Amino acid sequence: NAGVTQTPKFQVLKTGQSMTLQCAQDMNHNSMYWYRQDPGMGLRLIYYSASEGTTDKGEVPNGYNVSRLNKREFSLRLESAAPSQTSVYFCASSPGVAYNEQFFGPGTRLTVL
Amino acid sequence: GENVEQHPSTLSVQEGDSAVIKCTYSDSASNYFPWYKQELGKRPQLIIDIRSNVGEKKDQRIAVTLNKTAKHFSLHITETQPEDSAVYFCAPKPTGTASKLTFGTGTRLQVTL
Repeated sequence: NAGVTQTPKFQVLKTGQSMTLQCAQDMNHNSMYWYRQDPGMGLRLIYYSASEGTTDKGEVPNGYNVSRLNKREFSLRLESAAPSQTSVYFCASSPGVAYNEQFFGPGTRLTVL
Repeated sequence: GENVEQHPSTLSVQEGDSAVIKCTYSDSASNYFPWYKQELGKRPQLIIDIRSNVGEKKDQRIAVTLNKTAKHFSLHITETQPEDSAVYFCAPKPTGTASKLTFGTGTRLQVTL
């Protein structure tokens, strides 16, 4: 069981470039999430998918899009990267609603120059 | 949305001492109260959680206490060890929503020898 995996681990982009962060889980979880973590800001929710086929905005969705490709995979796309999007990005999954632990991936460190 | 505050933001204790971190929240509908630990450069991981029908839960050296009336819950770590050094996040969750969590801004705990 790999749990939650993310690719890539590190990425450097120039302003205006686009990229997609990939996330996959092998725990048969229904819900998946994308967070960004900035120093002193904790974890902020970008988008989430409560179940396959649904996606919803979180606290900071501007500049991002997501796709729940299937039950296992949830990708995050930056269409036109900006320096303000420099951050560490974590994907997470949970069995579903109610009282559920979230399992996090190892993170992607993104720098936008 | 949920307004979550953690105190203190940093905490330094000597090995063997106790540490207490407090989390206050605003949404009275919250009924799930987890604490996550994030070691330097690693992913957040759940260490303990509590539901609103329970006032206290203990797991070896860590415990969580809940005061729903005052809308706060606390993480207690006894007999601290160097490996307890990390950032701790609370993430109270309101019921009746999808499984997203609102994370506090974190408390950096440093256990010194």
